[in-house]
Amino acid sequence: DTGVSQDPRHKITKRGQNVTFRCDPISEHNRLYWYRQTLGQGPEFLTYFQNEAQLEKSRLLSDRFSAERPKGSFSTLEIQRTEQGDSAMYLCASSSGHLGRTDTQYFGPGTRLTVL
Amino acid sequence: RKEVEQDPGPFNVPEGATVAFNCTYSNSASQSFFWYRQDCRKEPKLLMSVYSSGNEDGRFTAQLNRASQYISLLIRDSKLSDSATYLCVVIAPTSGTYKYIFGTGTRLKVLA
Repeated sequence: DTGVSQDPRHKITKRGQNVTFRCDPISEHNRLYWYRQTLGQGPEFLTYFQNEAQLEKSRLLSDRFSAERPKGSFSTLEIQRTEQGDSAMYLCASSSGHLGRTDTQYFGPGTRLTVL
Repeated sequence: RKEVEQDPGPFNVPEGATVAFNCTYSNSASQSFFWYRQDCRKEPKLLMSVYSSGNEDGRFTAQLNRASQYISLLIRDSKLSDSATYLCVVIAPTSGTYKYIFGTGTRLKVLA
């Protein structure tokens, strides 16, 4: 399977714990995106990387959130001191990075986080 | 005003019906447009890009109206399997780069 993969698919944690999610993009894609999606809403942009550089972060990304893409391949998203409001689906997407209609984003299956 | 707006629905239509969704966007410099489909508790999947001249893929037709800043998706001969949420996506310039902006999605239910 050469699509975007995410791990874990589901995570249940207690409030105050730290969690880390992993995303493996399509191998030839240099752009990687993280989104958060809650019920009844579209995906909300969190951050994106071009290769290993984190180029933009949404103001939704509080200081409890950090993302890395150390070698320009896989990425991790860490949430520290989780809160119940962090419960959501965390989606990763990758693209080839060529502006325009060729820069199609392909999504992974998501990590569903539940904070108790 | 939201950057990308969609009617959340749900649109309940009988099998075989034709249904259309619109999506409006606020940034006139927006460059590319897409429709994604999302099934319940699944990831979004690209349905089709939207070209300036309009484009068709089987039963699906997408149109772009730059003057009025909206895109549309028309589904003909609806199937039960078309039941899903349809997300409008706009690529808009920002701070020397560009960003993807998703609408909240329009829910479609096709009824037997």
